[in-house]
Amino acid sequence: ILNVEQSPQSLHVQEGDSTNFTCSFPSSNFYALHWYRWETAKSPEALFVMTLNGDEKKKGRISATLNTKEGYSYLYIKGSQPEDSATYLCAFRTGTASKLTFGTGTRLQVTL
Amino acid sequence: NAGVTQTPKFQVLKTGQSMTLQCAQDMNHEYMSWYRQDPGMGLRLIHYSVGAGITDQGEVPNGYNVSRSTTEDFPLRLLSAAPSQTSVYFCASRRDSGGDTQYFGPGTRLTVL
Repeated sequence: ILNVEQSPQSLHVQEGDSTNFTCSFPSSNFYALHWYRWETAKSPEALFVMTLNGDEKKKGRISATLNTKEGYSYLYIKGSQPEDSATYLCAFRTGTASKLTFGTGTRLQVTL
Repeated sequence: NAGVTQTPKFQVLKTGQSMTLQCAQDMNHEYMSWYRQDPGMGLRLIHYSVGAGITDQGEVPNGYNVSRSTTEDFPLRLLSAAPSQTSVYFCASRRDSGGDTQYFGPGTRLTVL
């Protein structure tokens, strides 16, 4: 079973703060790393799919980086807003299987 | 496109009953999968399929069956429901290549009494 770890488990920041989370995954046999945003009572929504070492992706105030050699990805949120409150999931795919293995997520709460 | 649809949204079963959770997608995606979400456990893969006629087990397959007779549909069958199967179930689909986004259905909340 592949081990995908996310830290921290939860985070509470104030509006306007910038924050980042980590996703760690096995560095061998890498194929793709997915990031999702998951609001309570909804279904996960894709943010990024990253496939190349050194990839950087950006969507508005949210960005992500990827280091496949050392097995980690960072998700950054600049100037957090209350609507950013959600659980952020990462998921890892190897080159020999189609399935995604998910981490348990980082739960972000942004208050005014 | 409707995307990924799931029915029902909510279901209550008694222990020992069987039922089928429906999942359909209209994006011509090869890959489809079923996850369950439990508190503190994240999303755990139950079964997945890389195309019509091909299915495989995920992390937690016991107590569940799947089949994939068409590209569009991927039903999940609970053979004899148990309280441990109380969970939220998500179906997802994507094209079967590394860089493609996976789309999730709205979920089915199942309670087994």
